Amino acid sequence: AQKITQTQPGMFVQEKEAVTLDCTYDTSDQSYGLFWYKQPSSGEMIFLIYQGSYDEQNATEGRYSLNFQKARKSANLVISASQLGDSAMYFCAMRGARNSGYALNFGKGTSLLVTP
Amino acid sequence: DAGITQSPRYKITETGRQVTLMCHQTWSHSYMFWYRQDLGHGLRLIYYSAAADITDKGEVPDGYVVSRSKTENFPLTLESATRSQTSVYFCASSEVQSYEQYFGPGTRLTVT
Repeated sequence: AQKITQTQPGMFVQEKEAVTLDCTYDTSDQSYGLFWYKQPSSGEMIFLIYQGSYDEQNATEGRYSLNFQKARKSANLVISASQLGDSAMYFCAMRGARNSGYALNFGKGTSLLVTP
Repeated sequence: DAGITQSPRYKITETGRQVTLMCHQTWSHSYMFWYRQDLGHGLRLIYYSAAADITDKGEVPDGYVVSRSKTENFPLTLESATRSQTSVYFCASSEVQSYEQYFGPGTRLTVT
């Protein structure tokens, strides 16, 4: 079975600073995918970034990067130059196997507050 | 409108009533999913569907029924609503060859 762990219930960061949100995972699959989603107070789920287990380079999307350390089973999200609009819940997720319809398994989330 | 929509966006119902949450996607994606989101639990899978007329249980299926007679629709029915089913429900869709899941805006359901 897959498991996603986010150990930081809440985080604070000052505007323009970088912040790292932690995510560790457990799986017996050789091939897997890791995701980060953002959920602002309005409630929608916004896809941020994806990392495949065989990708040799860490994924980047604008100010978001994924620090993927396969041996440590970690997939931390790094947000550079934080903005007030980054205040939200952030969820780490792993894509399940075919027998689960490739559904996502989510961590419990980290609440990020960006302060001026 | 293109994309994935859910209706209603908000619903208040009484214990014991049947309620159906609707999900519609315009991309003809093969896979569709229902998740529920509760404080302290993140999102948990209720049911998924790999294609029309093919559905299967997820992590928390008890008390829910799904159907998928058409590719674009995936309704979720609470046959006899309970207070523990008060939650935010998200529908999502994806294609098998695409890693990304696209989420609907969510339905906030309150069972009194």
